[in-house]
Amino acid sequence: DVVLTQTPPTLSATIGQSVSISCRSSQSLLHSNGNTYLHWLLQRPGQSPQLLIYLVSRLESGVPNRFSGSGSGTDFTLKISGVEAEDLGVYYCVQGTHAPNTFGAGTKLELK
Amino acid sequence: EVQLVESGGGLVQPGRSLKLSCVASGFTFSNYGMNWIRQAPGKGLEWVAYISSGSSYIYYAETVKGRFTISRDNAKNTLYLQMTSLRSEDTALYYCARLPGFDFWGPGTMVTVSS
Repeated sequence: DVVLTQTPPTLSATIGQSVSISCRSSQSLLHSNGNTYLHWLLQRPGQSPQLLIYLVSRLESGVPNRFSGSGSGTDFTLKISGVEAEDLGVYYCVQGTHAPNTFGAGTKLELK
Repeated sequence: EVQLVESGGGLVQPGRSLKLSCVASGFTFSNYGMNWIRQAPGKGLEWVAYISSGSSYIYYAETVKGRFTISRDNAKNTLYLQMTSLRSEDTALYYCARLPGFDFWGPGTMVTVSS
């Protein structure tokens, strides 16, 4: 199975600070159809996960544009340009290129 | 509005069975692959099972293979997870999620396996 390694496991930030989360895959996530099925989710406390970014860099409808995704192959990054209070929670990367789908262990974003 | 609503969870003894349901609305259910994903208390997300839109392709996590069965009824817009031989380590909040992009999730249904 593909292993997704997220770093850091915990991130402390102040409001307005920009932060980045890394997700590294044990295998290339480039599918034979040319798509890279690497997505980013946010799980706020007590809530279900919600999709932020899909296919590496595409912003899900309704998600603020302070969120951005980048990367290719095995290395991917989620950036938040100016953290807001509503961004606190656990961020997961997930891959859908290879069966079975696998999740990163999560990065908890906390207020400093 | 897309909605996924899970049900069927509860407290069950080790070795017993339970069947979860996920009712979909607001989209053409038969066009989408679906996943079951679980989250043990205080832990991360664990993929459990996948079923393609027409049920032709089915995959399971090794931790549940041979014990859990995923299925769907496209006429009823419903996804199922039949769980047998339940263990304490199956205790978790069980979510259904729409593919291919994990763009919609239900609120989850809690399964507690304990004597």
